[in-house]
Amino acid sequence: GENVEQHPSTLSVQEGDSAVIKCTYSDSASNYFPWYKQELGKGPQLIIDIRSNVGEKKDQRIAVTLNKTAKHFSLHITETQPEDSAVYFCAASIGGYQKVTFGTGTKLQVIP
Amino acid sequence: ETGVTQTPRHLVMGMTNKKSLKCEQHLGHNAMYWYKQSAKKPLELMFVYSLEERVENNSVPSRFSPECPNSSHLFLHLHTLQPEDSALYLCASSQNGRQQFFGPGTRLTVL
Repeated sequence: GENVEQHPSTLSVQEGDSAVIKCTYSDSASNYFPWYKQELGKGPQLIIDIRSNVGEKKDQRIAVTLNKTAKHFSLHITETQPEDSAVYFCAASIGGYQKVTFGTGTKLQVIP
Repeated sequence: ETGVTQTPRHLVMGMTNKKSLKCEQHLGHNAMYWYKQSAKKPLELMFVYSLEERVENNSVPSRFSPECPNSSHLFLHLHTLQPEDSALYLCASSQNGRQQFFGPGTRLTVL
């Protein structure tokens, strides 16, 4: 089955700096890659996603890049703010959205 | 109440107890999911119900028993659990296999 690895497990950045989280996946058939943000006491929330026919997608301060050849995808957050502090999960799925394999999560701390 | 709700939010039970977790979605979705979230591990998909039929069961021990009486409600019945079953149990829903919306989870502690 699919295996998703995520790094780093923790990340501390100064407010205003950028944060990058990286993931790799094992199954070349995976074609959908969502990113979730989980705040304390809440369930994960989708923040951005990308399909395999696209190399990059951006939504305001958040961007995701995908390298299908290397089976890597990354989340980039620019101009970080304290409210960006949370646990971020990458994920991969094959053939749609239903069965999703998650990474182990990155705890991001933005220091004011 | 909007989105996906879960009750109770916290549950402590002994290994011989029987309890149930409840999930309700107010989004009109046709698929519901149970996930287990343990520290330092990826989210583990346990069960998927689509149109009230179980379509996925990821080798979950029989001490976990799901029930989906209608498209809005999902239960997870628990009996004779083990301490290693202590975790955050998350419910999610989606429409036609699209984006999943998660509830806040039930924090389960098995003594």
